[in-house]
Amino acid sequence: GAVVSQHPSWVICKSGTSVKIECRSLDFQATTMFWYRQFPKQSLMLMATSNEGSKATYEQGVEKDKFLINHASLTLSTLTVTSAHPEDSSFYICSARDPRITQAGNTIYFGEGSWLTVV
Amino acid sequence: GEDVEQSLFLSVREGDSSVINCTYTDSSSTYLYWYKQEPGAGLQLLTYIFSNMDMKQDQRLTVLLNKKDKHLSLRIADTQTGDSAIYFCAGAGSYQLTFGKGTKLSVIP
Repeated sequence: GAVVSQHPSWVICKSGTSVKIECRSLDFQATTMFWYRQFPKQSLMLMATSNEGSKATYEQGVEKDKFLINHASLTLSTLTVTSAHPEDSSFYICSARDPRITQAGNTIYFGEGSWLTVV
Repeated sequence: GEDVEQSLFLSVREGDSSVINCTYTDSSSTYLYWYKQEPGAGLQLLTYIFSNMDMKQDQRLTVLLNKKDKHLSLRIADTQTGDSAIYFCAGAGSYQLTFGKGTKLSVIP
């Protein structure tokens, strides 16, 4: 079953409003979570790395004030898209690293993704 | 940073083998991964290979790594219609992944 859960799976919001996407690690404590965005017909783009208890590290070109990331607990990270606009419509995916596992192939788990449509 | 390139499309007949290719730039990538994305879904880890390996086989999947040329391939034997999806390769020097743009595999019945 899923070990990383994202909620909501899809959301429609009005332009100018804010929307929050949650990413939860279900059976492990994730000290590090990653947020990605996928544009249509393009690859995933890493937006930021979220470390529990500290500020997120944003990739170049990603607006910190627009994409607020909070990693307040070891099992939850949230991405808030503030003052959303139609161009923010995208597929957002989180991933979490399980620090208990040493085999790299099983270390990182992805959420199912969240479709955001801004109208 | 890492740059990962893939061909965008591949079309094969059901029952044939599929080979999806990927090149990467960062020779320090310790692990290389193949992910599958079905329409509307998140990524599913298919397989991975450690950088000191040349080949890894897992049921119908065979991963070949040419570290000298920084070339990675995924071979799917006896391709089925359920294999139709987008396949991403990714490199990891640490636990942060860099993805290619994805190869859309279409399987013709």
